[in-house]
Amino acid sequence: AQSVTQPDIHITVSEGASLELRCNYSYGATPYLFWYVQSPGQGLQLLLKYFSGDTLVQGIKGFEAEFKRSQSSFNLRKPSVHWSDAAEYFCAVGVTAGGSYIPTFGRGTSLIVHP
Amino acid sequence: EAGVAQSPRYKIIEKRQSVAFWCNPISGHATLYWYQQILGQGPKLLIQFQNNGVVDDSQLPKDRFSAERLKGVDSTLKIQPAKLEDSAVYLCASSTLAGAYNEQFFGPGTRLTVL
Repeated sequence: AQSVTQPDIHITVSEGASLELRCNYSYGATPYLFWYVQSPGQGLQLLLKYFSGDTLVQGIKGFEAEFKRSQSSFNLRKPSVHWSDAAEYFCAVGVTAGGSYIPTFGRGTSLIVHP
Repeated sequence: EAGVAQSPRYKIIEKRQSVAFWCNPISGHATLYWYQQILGQGPKLLIQFQNNGVVDDSQLPKDRFSAERLKGVDSTLKIQPAKLEDSAVYLCASSTLAGAYNEQFFGPGTRLTVL
């Protein structure tokens, strides 16, 4: 079965600093990979996704992520963080098994932004 | 375009009581998902519908949880009887079709507290 690991429970950065959130997955083949953001009291919003092709994917709100097959990683990055980026970030993998699409989420990383 | 609607937003019950959650997906979306998000964890898929048929319910605790999607639009998720460990946020999501290529749009969730 597939699994997702987000090793950092909390990340604190200063506004304007760069950001990298880590995500590692376990699956026998290349899964579909996603990053979502969840603001307090709201549902999840898709930031970006990787299916195939170029391993550097661009998303909304200035985020990007790089797929590294050799490291089974899909880390999320942003060059300059804004206070409004403070939220919970989830990495997810999607696998099709038995005709069903099953998404599996990591436990999330909470981003704290200092002024 | 209206988003995914869920009600109630909050619910507090005592253990062994019953509870039901309602979800209205985005108009025209054939696929509907219910997730359970326990505090400090990522969302866990409970059940997936395609129109009014169940695509996957392998992670649904069927001894106490049930869900239906009559007429392929609105859906209800029921817990009977509730246990303390059911305290969580229940998220509903919808997409045009099933599969990783179709973005899931999430509702704000229903926060359930079981005392």
